[in-house]
Amino acid sequence: EAGVAQSPRYKIIEKRQSVAFWCNPISGHATLYWYQQILGQGPKLLIQFQNNGVVDDSQLPKDRFSAERLKGVDSTLKIQPAKLEDSAVYLCASSLEVASQAFFGQGTRLTVV
Amino acid sequence: ILNVEQSPQSLHVQEGDSTNFTCSFPSSNFYALHWYRWETAKSPEALFVMTLNGDEKKKGRISATLNTKEGYSYLYIKGSQPEDSATYLCALRRVDSSYKLIFGSGTRLLVRP
Repeated sequence: EAGVAQSPRYKIIEKRQSVAFWCNPISGHATLYWYQQILGQGPKLLIQFQNNGVVDDSQLPKDRFSAERLKGVDSTLKIQPAKLEDSAVYLCASSLEVASQAFFGQGTRLTVV
Repeated sequence: ILNVEQSPQSLHVQEGDSTNFTCSFPSSNFYALHWYRWETAKSPEALFVMTLNGDEKKKGRISATLNTKEGYSYLYIKGSQPEDSATYLCALRRVDSSYKLIFGSGTRLLVRP
């Protein structure tokens, strides 16, 4: 069974630039999560989708971050404009349904300079 | 703000040593406690999902226990090997609208040969 796919693996951008990350969840998984993991901290949930609807985006900085999950499958997370403090690993995960085991991708390491 | 606390923050042990980590969490509205192992440049790997008070789970040399009444879980590694070097994350799921995973900041384990 294929796992959660994310791209790119690494990205370096200058502050105020825009960046987008892509995630392809495990086939058939209804729930998709985006997490931000800053060095030395645990992963923090940015947004959680159930199919193509948003279940939780309470910690998403909506002035600069946006995410969508078209057709309830793939998802993109965008940052516009990026700040230095956005440097982190962005993890995508999926689960069969809301409360079931979550499987993670390898993450995208973003460096904002 | 819900806090999932992990200790210690980091641990250096010699090959062959046994070790254990702690995850503490608010016990109200408990649904499940997850343990993940995260090696550098890889996906976080699910180790255990624990749901019942008194649960004990084992996978090879790694085992975990759960106390939902007092809000803690222990992860044990018997006879540590260099390949056990990783960050060990615990994550809490509570009964709420999203059942989101709330992560601790992890315990970074380094096993010296």
